[in-house]
Amino acid sequence: DSGVTQTPKHLITATGQRVTLRCSPRSGDLSVYWYQQSLDQGLQFLIQYYNGEERAKGNILERFSAQQFPDLHSELNLSSLELGDSALYFCASSVANRVGETQYFGPGTRLLVL
Amino acid sequence: TQLLEQSPQFLSIQEGENLTVYCNSSSVFSSLQWYRQEPGEGPVLLVTVVTGGEVKKLKRLTFQFGDARKDSSLHITAAQPGDTGLYLCAGRTDSWGKFQFGAGTQVVVTP
Repeated sequence: DSGVTQTPKHLITATGQRVTLRCSPRSGDLSVYWYQQSLDQGLQFLIQYYNGEERAKGNILERFSAQQFPDLHSELNLSSLELGDSALYFCASSVANRVGETQYFGPGTRLLVL
Repeated sequence: TQLLEQSPQFLSIQEGENLTVYCNSSSVFSSLQWYRQEPGEGPVLLVTVVTGGEVKKLKRLTFQFGDARKDSSLHITAAQPGDTGLYLCAGRTDSWGKFQFGAGTQVVVTP
């Protein structure tokens, strides 16, 4: 158990819908990262927050957005869902954002868009 | 196009054999990490290397960071079924930059 929790574990929805994925980082961790993992694209970095502020942006679509709240939990919002958005979505956390720092990954949310 | 290219994509070996997987890039990384991911779970960090030429050992696993900090290798000695998993390398080009992951090498060790 990494100490990072993600809910829900599984999510099945239809195209065009909107969903929210939630992540609680390890106690004391200030950085939260979101990743998307699909069979054809591998693990893709989406976005990172540090202490409530956006720090780095990766291959995140405009239909996707995220935020980190004062209690440091984070939410990833996916809207106008398409079939291709079906994937595993991971959240990871780390203490700060230093070089070589360990990221601890949550168990992931498996999203299926029908 | 992946910034980090991992090879091979898939490796199946017998228990007791040795294996090496590679992670290559044309970019220079400030740090590089190796993870193992098992089905239905998130990746788990195995090691972080930050210095060119650095070699780290974790029991039967040996990790090497290239002198130019553009590539890395993971060598497993006397593989065991418990080593089965998806091995991912991830690199960061600067201190505050995003992590880039390779596509991974799926390793299967059969008894």
